[in-house]
Amino acid sequence: DARVTQTPRHKVTEMGQEVTMRCQPILGHNTVFWYRQTMMQGLELLAYFRNRAPLDDSGMPKDRFSAEMPDATLATLKIQPSEPRDSAVYFCASGSEGEKLFFGSGTQLSVL
Amino acid sequence: GEDVEQSLFLSVREGDSSVINCTYTDSSSTYLYWYKQEPGAGLQLLTYIFSNMDMKQDQRLTVLLNKKDKHLSLRIADTQTGDSAIYFCAESRDNAGNMLTFGGGTRLMVKP
Repeated sequence: DARVTQTPRHKVTEMGQEVTMRCQPILGHNTVFWYRQTMMQGLELLAYFRNRAPLDDSGMPKDRFSAEMPDATLATLKIQPSEPRDSAVYFCASGSEGEKLFFGSGTQLSVL
Repeated sequence: GEDVEQSLFLSVREGDSSVINCTYTDSSSTYLYWYKQEPGAGLQLLTYIFSNMDMKQDQRLTVLLNKKDKHLSLRIADTQTGDSAIYFCAESRDNAGNMLTFGGGTRLMVKP
């Protein structure tokens, strides 16, 4: 059963530390999305890749966040330095054009 | 810009029908989606409708689209306790149907 895999599931860190979240999209999917979910803001799109190329990262704070796809099987989202306001659940989703998006189970990030 | 809005909360009794409503502002939306999120999990696509349709039925789920009023609804027949979750409405404007804008989610509580 194909699924989007995100690691870690939970991450607790101290303010100022680097955080790296990983996502393995479903094999064959060519679009990858990063979303952030908070109680206050709901689901916010952070970054969007198609065929590993970043198409839209306008929702991402550029000074501390970076998103990359080093290869077709791995997408990363880094926060450096992390801040308490970054505490949220970060979801990765993958899909093919014209097909539905599949979401991972998310990384629950707590920055103390 | 686009905006998708939903009511925050809905409570129903087991066996009753649930109707979750959503409004959107972007008339160029091509696809409209309903996602379900259970506690601690990612988003699961329930159903979607093309903007040129006005109704879609899938087992217990019925989606109604009023394009003139930009109103989307999800009806769940014979609601079960397992249907308790947060339901997200989302719209997409790109031809690939991947680039989603989500509503804030409606928490459905089903009482036995």
